[in-house]
Amino acid sequence: DTGVSQNPRHKITKRGQNVTFRCDPISEHNRLYWYRQTLGQGPEFLTYFQNEAQLEKSRLLSDRFSAERPKGSFSTLEIQRTEQGDSAMYLCASSSDSWGEKLFFGSGTQLSVL
Amino acid sequence: GENVEQHPSTLSVQEGDSAVIKCTYSDSASNYFPWYKQELGKGPQLIIDIRSNVGEKKDQRIAVTLNKTAKHFSLHITETQPEDSAVYFCAAGGRAGNKLTFGGGTRVLVKP
Repeated sequence: DTGVSQNPRHKITKRGQNVTFRCDPISEHNRLYWYRQTLGQGPEFLTYFQNEAQLEKSRLLSDRFSAERPKGSFSTLEIQRTEQGDSAMYLCASSSDSWGEKLFFGSGTQLSVL
Repeated sequence: GENVEQHPSTLSVQEGDSAVIKCTYSDSASNYFPWYKQELGKGPQLIIDIRSNVGEKKDQRIAVTLNKTAKHFSLHITETQPEDSAVYFCAAGGRAGNKLTFGGGTRVLVKP
């Protein structure tokens, strides 16, 4: 197992364009989390899934953001009509279904909106 | 919601000295406190964690202490080495879904 995998590693886009990121969690991890990290700050929670069910969304997740995990394995995060303020590192993490279990993060997707 | 404060924001130590990072949290329902190390261009890496039924945990040169009454926890790194240079984040979680709330991070520089 190679850990949590995120693609692409970097994405440069123009304001107004749509972007989609992919996360492949550690196999058999049924919880998957998306976080956003801006320069010099700690990661901020966006949303999480248990299997294919999206159980919680942060108020940070505007209606331009949508996340899916259709078969309970990989997940995608889409941002529509990107804005410069969306520029950040988008991190994915996974964990097993156990109360208070450890979260393992991927290397993230760095988004730059020009 | 939960709020985690982390201090200091930067820490410079001489190789071989100890480093201490402190965090406070606000939600008494939090019961899981991990620490992550993040190197440039990489995602956070879990280095140690502690649960609220334990006051102290040690793993080689790293130790974490928790004072649940005061709602604060600390990371101690002994015999620091240049490869310990990184940004360290504390976090609090353990409620439903184990959503973590992170502190603002501490940039540690170990000078050879």
